[in-house]
Amino acid sequence: QVQLHESGPGLVKPSQTLSLTCSVSGASIGNGGYCWSWIRQHPGQGLGLVGYICYTTDAYYTPSLKGRATVSVDTSTSQFSLRLTSVTVADTAVYFCAGIQSNSFHHWGQGLLVTVSS
Amino acid sequence: QSALTQAASVSGTPGQSITIPCAGSGGDVGTYNLVSWYQQHPGTAPKLILYDVDKRPSGISDRFSGSKSGNTASLTISGLQPEDEADYYCCSYGGLPNFWLFGGGTKVTVL
Repeated sequence: QVQLHESGPGLVKPSQTLSLTCSVSGASIGNGGYCWSWIRQHPGQGLGLVGYICYTTDAYYTPSLKGRATVSVDTSTSQFSLRLTSVTVADTAVYFCAGIQSNSFHHWGQGLLVTVSS
Repeated sequence: QSALTQAASVSGTPGQSITIPCAGSGGDVGTYNLVSWYQQHPGTAPKLILYDVDKRPSGISDRFSGSKSGNTASLTISGLQPEDEADYYCCSYGGLPNFWLFGGGTKVTVL
């Protein structure tokens, strides 16, 4: 059974960098059958893809983030990460990590609320 | 590309069938048979209930079914039950530059 778990700070100051980690169990993070993604949900709103990475390819990001996001994989720890620079209050959201299989988001972490505030 | 379009809310009585449309464009829903649907109860993570338009993951009730016609995909819940009350999101692969697009979500209320 594939399980994902997000970790990181719940509060980040404006202009700083948000760093989140997703721990993966039950699947090989380097397995070509999976890609790994970050999705966020602004309070009371819908879902939006932040970015994703497949082990054998480059990472891809939603254009609206204008180059502020970086997704990376660490196979030695079975974790993947999100870095989001120059955060503003508009980046306040619940951040989910999710495993992509068969072109859909099959496995989800429980979500982590990140608040951007001074 | 804008997000996919869903009705804000749909309601039904126990045992009834309801259908939730998801309108996309020729660049996403209309091109790819890669539509998925997610159920989200308050305070929890979304859960995959359909993928590739009409495939159900293991453990998902056959009361959930999916279809697609042109640029619109649909989720049908048959035999509506109280536990089906949740938010439902459609998602479609759309290629570059946005890759996956989500709908705004439909709140299902069981009356």
